[in-house]
Amino acid sequence: GQQLNQSPQSMFIQEGEDVSMNCTSSSIFNTWLWYKQDPGEGPVLLIALYKAGELTSNGRLTAQFGITRKDSFLNISASIPSDVGIYFCAGQLIQGAQKLVFGQGTRLTINP
Amino acid sequence: NAGVTQTPKFRILKIGQSMTLQCTQDMNHNYMYWYRQDPGMGLKLIYYSVGAGITDKGEVPNGYNVSRSTTEDFPLRLELAAPSQTSVYFCASSLSSIHEQFFGPGTRLTVL
Repeated sequence: GQQLNQSPQSMFIQEGEDVSMNCTSSSIFNTWLWYKQDPGEGPVLLIALYKAGELTSNGRLTAQFGITRKDSFLNISASIPSDVGIYFCAGQLIQGAQKLVFGQGTRLTINP
Repeated sequence: NAGVTQTPKFRILKIGQSMTLQCTQDMNHNYMYWYRQDPGMGLKLIYYSVGAGITDKGEVPNGYNVSRSTTEDFPLRLELAAPSQTSVYFCASSLSSIHEQFFGPGTRLTVL
């Protein structure tokens, strides 16, 4: 099946640092999504990208849809303790139902 | 609105036992999904439904069954539990194929 390669797998940073993570795929997707998962919770959508080349921000978060449609990145600026969690990318092919393919996740740990 | 609710939160099964994971949403969403999340991995789609009476297989459907008799409920059935089904199960719903998926809090299942 389709796979997304997400990196890095984990990050240990100091509070206030910027964070960058990315996803690549051998397949083309029509939509890229970034989710955050807190411990014991389900994923929550952070940013959705619908067009190749699109750059979208949501507060301190910025994400881009690669022009080849095979990759995406997420940046978090000036990290704060509540940014701790696991971040997932997901790609969607539009085939009638919203079937998402998820990356393996990036676990973010912040030292105060 | 409660959103997407799942029961139980935790369950331990013996090999060969059966159980039903419950999922209910009160947002009048047409689309519902079941995912499993193995340790250190992203979510994988088990089954999905685009409306009452309509279900279809996802990426990893073997060993599971679903039904969708109402818009609100989308139960996931395990008939003969196996250790390979030890995982965290997430239910999600969306208004349509282009709208955001909302996730429940998950059910942690252990098969011994």
